Amino acid sequence: DQQVKQNSPSLSVQEGRISILNCDYTNSMFDYFLWYKKYPAEGPTFLISISSIKDKNEDGRFTVFLNKSAKHLSLHIVPSQPGDSAVYFCAASDLGGYQKVTFGTGTKLQVIP
Amino acid sequence: GAGVSQSPSNKVTEKGKDVELRCDPISGHTALYWYRQRLGQGLEFLIYFQGNSAPDKSGLPSDRFSAERTGESVSTLTIQRTQQEDSAVYLCASSLGFGTSGLLLRTQYFGPGTRLLVL
Repeated sequence: DQQVKQNSPSLSVQEGRISILNCDYTNSMFDYFLWYKKYPAEGPTFLISISSIKDKNEDGRFTVFLNKSAKHLSLHIVPSQPGDSAVYFCAASDLGGYQKVTFGTGTKLQVIP
Repeated sequence: GAGVSQSPSNKVTEKGKDVELRCDPISGHTALYWYRQRLGQGLEFLIYFQGNSAPDKSGLPSDRFSAERTGESVSTLTIQRTQQEDSAVYLCASSLGFGTSGLLLRTQYFGPGTRLLVL
């Protein structure tokens, strides 16, 4: 059972435009959500996170939006840059247990110069 | 060290051999995680450590997989009698710890991974 889903395996965006990466989850116990960026041959790098008590968190060009009622979050990158080309993983963890983090399958973003 | 390190970076082995993968977490991080990423797939959780204890081993694919952690630092993931389906990138991550508050405690920082190829 895939509790964190990224339904778009890939996305192409023109440089300077907005990139929107989407993520859906099914576990209502998730209370902390993260986005990771992964370049080839490297480990994932933490990008931005959001707590379930918020609906928006912004860090420079990156903004994460959380819609708890829809169990949906999205990552916006504005403006997109060629260096943003990478695989983006959505992840979620819950308050109970040991805060195991569940990852989505990733979306490969290509920013075209 | 400044970040999570893993060794070896690449490992090629023959089917049936045992392999050991090492992870050095960020100093002071009490939590340590192992993941696996097969080609074209997402991150698959294997096991985590709280200190030197592994409360949940249910993510390990089979009894050929085992892991240990010593000194609340280095961890070793061992795969016995490797099979071709074990070929993957094995990623280690660490975090400051656990807690119901201080969400940054749960933010995991990843190493570069070990690429394992079983022939």
